[in-house]
Amino acid sequence: DSGVTQTPKHLITATGQRVTLRCSPRSGDLSVYWYQQSLDQGLQFLIHYYNGEERAKGNILERFSAQQFPDLHSELNLSSLELGDSALYFCASSVAGQTNEKLFFGSGTQLSVL
Amino acid sequence: AQSVSQHNHHVILSEAASLELGCNYSYGGTVNLFWYVQYPGQHLQLLLKYFSGDPLVKGIKGFEAEFIKSKFSFNLRKPSVQWSDTAEYFCAVSKNYGGSQGNLIFGKGTKLSVKP
Repeated sequence: DSGVTQTPKHLITATGQRVTLRCSPRSGDLSVYWYQQSLDQGLQFLIHYYNGEERAKGNILERFSAQQFPDLHSELNLSSLELGDSALYFCASSVAGQTNEKLFFGSGTQLSVL
Repeated sequence: AQSVSQHNHHVILSEAASLELGCNYSYGGTVNLFWYVQYPGQHLQLLLKYFSGDPLVKGIKGFEAEFIKSKFSFNLRKPSVQWSDTAEYFCAVSKNYGGSQGNLIFGKGTKLSVKP
């Protein structure tokens, strides 16, 4: 167990809908990262939050947004969903978000858009 | 743009065979390098990492990796694999310019299947 909790584990929805994925980092970790894993693109970095503030953006679509709350949990909001958004979404956390830190990954949320 | 290439999509070995998984990255500056592993049904976890010092890094479960700066490579090795090493292996890089931007760029992964 990595200590990072993601809910829900599975999510099935329809095109055009909006969903929210939730991540609770390890106790004491201030940094949260979101990744999208698909067969064709592999693991793609989406966004990084540190102590409530956005620190870096990767290949995140404008239809997607995220935030980190004062209790350090994070939510990834995906809207106007398309078939191509079907993927495994991972959250990871680290203590301070430094470039040489180890990331602890959650088990992911499998999103299926039908 | 920064990228990480893993040469093999799927590797099949028999137990006790030696393993080498290739990884090359494109970023020219100072980097931190990682190998993560995902066992079936489990979350990604760190195998080993390099950010300075001895370019030969030892990780958990008998794995090691060698950083060769001139070749932009960070290949993963294990002298003798076991059935329990069956997993997907991901190479990753983060740019080392300080500050709290530890986001990793991952390769597409290599699936390793070890036959008993």
